This record gives sequence, C-alpha cells and structure tokens, in this order.
Amino acid sequence: EADIYQTPRYLVIGTGKKITLECSQTMGHDKMYWYQQDPGMELHLIHYSYGVNSTEKGDLSSESTVSRIRTEHFPLTLESARPSHTSQYLCASSEGTGWSEKLFFGSGTQLSVL
Amino acid sequence: AQKVTQAQTEISVVEKEDVTLDCVYETRDTTYYLFWYKQPPSGELVFLIRRNSFDEQNEISGRYSWNFQKSTSSFNFTITASQVVDSAVYFCALDNYGQNFVFGPGTRLSVLP
Repeated sequence: EADIYQTPRYLVIGTGKKITLECSQTMGHDKMYWYQQDPGMELHLIHYSYGVNSTEKGDLSSESTVSRIRTEHFPLTLESARPSHTSQYLCASSEGTGWSEKLFFGSGTQLSVL
Repeated sequence: AQKVTQAQTEISVVEKEDVTLDCVYETRDTTYYLFWYKQPPSGELVFLIRRNSFDEQNEISGRYSWNFQKSTSSFNFTITASQVVDSAVYFCALDNYGQNFVFGPGTRLSVLP
C-alpha cells in the first residue's frame, strides 16, 4: 500500500489566486514527481526531483513551481491560477537510486479554476 | 523519441468475459522497462507489472497475464474472467532509464454485470 498523500483532494478557486498543492510521502523515497492529467487521459510530467534541493522541469510546460526542502515533502505552487490550469494533479514517488523503478501515486488533487 | 500507443480508447465487456488491452511502444533503446498501471474511479494509479526489455517471458498473476513480444514492440495485457472491480482506466508506460516515464493515452475498461 502506497504511503503518499496529497491535499487537498478537490480545490475550486478563482482566477488569479495563489495556490499550493501538497504532497508528502512516508517511504523515504528520493525521487518524486508531479504529473498533470485531464480526466481519463494520459499523464504528462511537469516536475520531478532526484532528492532534497533538486528540482527539474518535465516534458510539459507548466507555469507552476516546486520545491524540495525535505525528502518527504514536494509541494507544487501556482502563483496565479488561470482556468487553463484546471486539471488533475498527481504526485508520485519511486524508491532506489536507479531509474525505471515502479511509481507510487497519491490520490491526486482535482483543481478547478473559475 | 519514445512513444506508447494504446489504440483501444474504450472497451466494454460483460462480466466473466476475457479481455485483452493492447500496448505498442516505440523506442530506439535496447534497454528499457515496460509497465502497466490501473487507475480505478478513485483516481489513484496502482502499479500492476514491470518488465525489462531482456525478459520476454510471459507472466501470469491470478486473472492477469501479460504478453511481451519484442518483435512486434507490444506488451499486451489480458484479464481472464473479468469482474466489475476491473473497471478502470489502464495505462501502459515505457521508461528507458531516462528522466521520466512515457505513458500511453490509456484504455477505459468497463465491465458490466
């Protein structure tokens, strides 16, 4: 069972607001990821981290930013939300120092920007 | 460039039927991993299987089985005697020790009682 938690589960906000989506994992995984997914559609990587103080942008251009100050915490921030940011955001982590390890996913945050 | 294709957008079957979900991938690398994930209505993706490119043995886990054919770049997933709880979106994914996974567009499976 995955121990990765995302809050809030649902968020409805107005345009221009600053928001932070929380993601925490208790497995001690070094690698963490943020994916964006429209309902039932493919996942697009927007940010990832190899470990503390390491963050990289993914394939999908995003106006969001992330930070990794602690191993267990990988929050995603939108400085000024817009309707185009409406989507589901999935956080994931993987163990080990290599690649191609299986991903553990959180339950996601469904964001709606009005 | 890497790519994963899941040609079946949606599949509906009646409970107890067998169903196969297709996955075709493209990569120039000789070393890579293939995955299947399940996303039930709750939204959380669940890992099902990981297979490396050097292991072409088919695998069976309960009602699930996977057929990896390198010659056709396919990694198909079969559910035997489907159940309503199998209803979900299933994603095939490819990773080549790169920086991220490439996910397919997903296949939505509906199992009707």
